[in-house]
Amino acid sequence: GNSVTQMEGPVTLSEEAFLTINCTYTATGYPSLFWYVQYPGEGLQLLLKATKADDKGSNKGFEATYRKETTSFHLEKGSVQVSDSAVYFCALNFVKAAGNKLTFGGGTRVLVKP
Amino acid sequence: GAVVSQHPSWVICKSGTSVKIECRSLDFQATTMFWYRQFPKQSLMLMATSNEGSKATYEQGVEKDKFLINHASLTLSTLTVTSAHPEDSSFYICSAPEVARGPYEQYFGPGTRLTVT
Repeated sequence: GNSVTQMEGPVTLSEEAFLTINCTYTATGYPSLFWYVQYPGEGLQLLLKATKADDKGSNKGFEATYRKETTSFHLEKGSVQVSDSAVYFCALNFVKAAGNKLTFGGGTRVLVKP
Repeated sequence: GAVVSQHPSWVICKSGTSVKIECRSLDFQATTMFWYRQFPKQSLMLMATSNEGSKATYEQGVEKDKFLINHASLTLSTLTVTSAHPEDSSFYICSAPEVARGPYEQYFGPGTRLTVT
């Protein structure tokens, strides 16, 4: 079956530090890949996505590149802010699959200190 | 952007009672919605796929008779937790894909925190 593995947190950083959250996946075929962010007490928001190999998703200073050869979709941000403190989820789905089910990784909690 | 709402945002109920959670797509139609359960500091667990006009599809291990799902219209799905027990306390989140924006685009509700006492 499909699965997503991401680094366990919590990740604690100082403001303006570089952030990387590793994400790898196992799937049959070529899924679409996503990063979702969940701020405290809220639901998930789509942060960025990539739908085919070598695509780079970017949003709010975050980037992730779909690497087919390493089955990875690592999330990066060059300079984090306190407001980036949240839980980040890597996920995949298949566009043509019935119901567009998302498969989530375990989530990585990020805490940015001023 | 597309918006999905949930009601209530939090609810406390007594053990043995039932509680209904609503999920609405506010500005788009959703023939499919998904219900997730999230435990503290854990990832989302897909419970079921709600299909407008037909029966929901439950994931393995999810009790159909305990978690009743009804997708009454193209903008509303409800999850009813029947005979709730303290172990049902959790954060319940729904999502819906807006096909017009691309079938892979899903929008999540803000979640409902259920506490069973």
